[in-house]
Amino acid sequence: GAGVSQSPRYKVTKRGQDVALRCDPISGHVSLYWYRQALGQGPEFLTYFNYEAQQDKSGLPNDRFSAERPEGSISTLTIQRTEQRDSAMYRCASSRPLAGRVRNEQFFGPGTRLTVL
Amino acid sequence: TQLLEQSPQFLSIQEGENLTVYCNSSSVFSSLQWYRQEPGEGPVLLVTVVTGGEVKKLKRLTFQFGDARKDSSLHITAAQPGDTGLYLCAGEWEYGNKLVFGAGTILRVKS
Repeated sequence: GAGVSQSPRYKVTKRGQDVALRCDPISGHVSLYWYRQALGQGPEFLTYFNYEAQQDKSGLPNDRFSAERPEGSISTLTIQRTEQRDSAMYRCASSRPLAGRVRNEQFFGPGTRLTVL
Repeated sequence: TQLLEQSPQFLSIQEGENLTVYCNSSSVFSSLQWYRQEPGEGPVLLVTVVTGGEVKKLKRLTFQFGDARKDSSLHITAAQPGDTGLYLCAGEWEYGNKLVFGAGTILRVKS
């Protein structure tokens, strides 16, 4: 499809394991964002990229969280040594079909529901 | 501290009623967006407002950006059960920066 895709859609893991969440943005979109969202709440910013460069990672909760977008397209959010408090919906969004586009209008993926046992 | 305050947090109304959702901040935004999110789905963009005092209409939805570009409102006329969802406002400070989301307003329209 032409939208943002995320995989896996559901991930159940045991505490202490590492997980990698994948985001495939809309083709050609310059910017890619990672959010965490609690049920019934607005998305909480984690980090974002323009092309392959990570512009802001101020929202990452601690150093167990990292993200990369090595070729400026697909991105991976990695959580090391998962803890129960990491359980949440992780959403990805992409924006800016052109580098010169002013408005940061975001297209969201379906999310990955992470459950840490 | 929430940079964008949305109110009310939750609204339950009968079909046919009107409602207004507010989004307020002490910061000035270059643009403000409204999204709607249905259960199990990601947020979907409804509208972007850019100019202070701007009003945009989308069928029964009316969006307004405050003159000072610090606040916005969403008014729904004659609400329908299909309007049920989480409504989110998001502000953009400047080109290239991240969006700041409000906590959202959960709307339930009963038939």
